[in-house]
Amino acid sequence: GDSVTQMEGPVTLSEEAFLTINCTYTATGYPSLFWYVQYPGEGLQLLLKATKADDKGSNKGFEATYRKETTSFHLEKGSVQVSDSAVYFCALSLKTSYDKVIFGPGTSLSVIP
Amino acid sequence: DGGITQSPKYLFRKEGQNVTLSCEQNLNHDAMYWYRQDPGQGLRLIYYSQIVNDFQKGDIAEGYSVSREKKESFPLTVTSAQKNPTAFYLCASSPHGVATNEKLFFGSGTQLSVL
Repeated sequence: GDSVTQMEGPVTLSEEAFLTINCTYTATGYPSLFWYVQYPGEGLQLLLKATKADDKGSNKGFEATYRKETTSFHLEKGSVQVSDSAVYFCALSLKTSYDKVIFGPGTSLSVIP
Repeated sequence: DGGITQSPKYLFRKEGQNVTLSCEQNLNHDAMYWYRQDPGQGLRLIYYSQIVNDFQKGDIAEGYSVSREKKESFPLTVTSAQKNPTAFYLCASSPHGVATNEKLFFGSGTQLSVL
C-alpha cells in the first residue's frame, strides 16, 4: 500500500551543521510530496512541497528534490540553527477513492548551541 | 488573523464518558480533517469532510463521530467506544481538498488524556 518512510530519530546536531533527513515513499500513481514541521505543542506547518518529478521545493534554507527514480524526497539544510529544533514530517498526497494525505512517522531534530 | 482554532488545549476524559473537541476555521475552506497523533507515529486520519453536511471515515474512525453543520465548524466526539483515546488530536483544513495539491492548514491541537 501507499506509505512514507523516514529516517529514525532523534537527530542531534550542533549549530551550523549540515542536515539531511531521508524520506522515501511508496505510492500508486504520481503523488505530490511535502515536508511539514511541528514545533513543540503546536500543529504542523508546511515547510516546502514539490508536485512533480525533479521539482525542488525550498523555504527558510531547507531544500528537497522530488526524485521519481529513487522514490525519495530528502530534506537538507546547509547550516542548522537552534530555532530549527522541531519534528519534521514527510508526506505525500494523492487522489484515490478519497483525497489522501499520508504522513511519515516524523523525525525529531534537536540543534544544540 | 485567519486560522484554525482548536479547543480546549488539554482535555481529560473519565471512563465511559464522551468528550467533544472543537475545531473552528475562518479561512473559508471547504475541506476539513481530523488527525490523531501518537508518540513516534505519523498522523492518522480519523474523519474528513469535503463539504457541509457531508463527511467520510478515514483510516481509524471507530470510536469517533463528527458533524459538519456549518462550513467553519467540524467538532470531533470521542465516544466511550474508543478504548485508547489518549493522544494529540489535530484538526486541519484545505481550500478545496488535497487532490489539487493544496497544503493542509493545521490547528494547534488538543491533548486528550484518560483519568
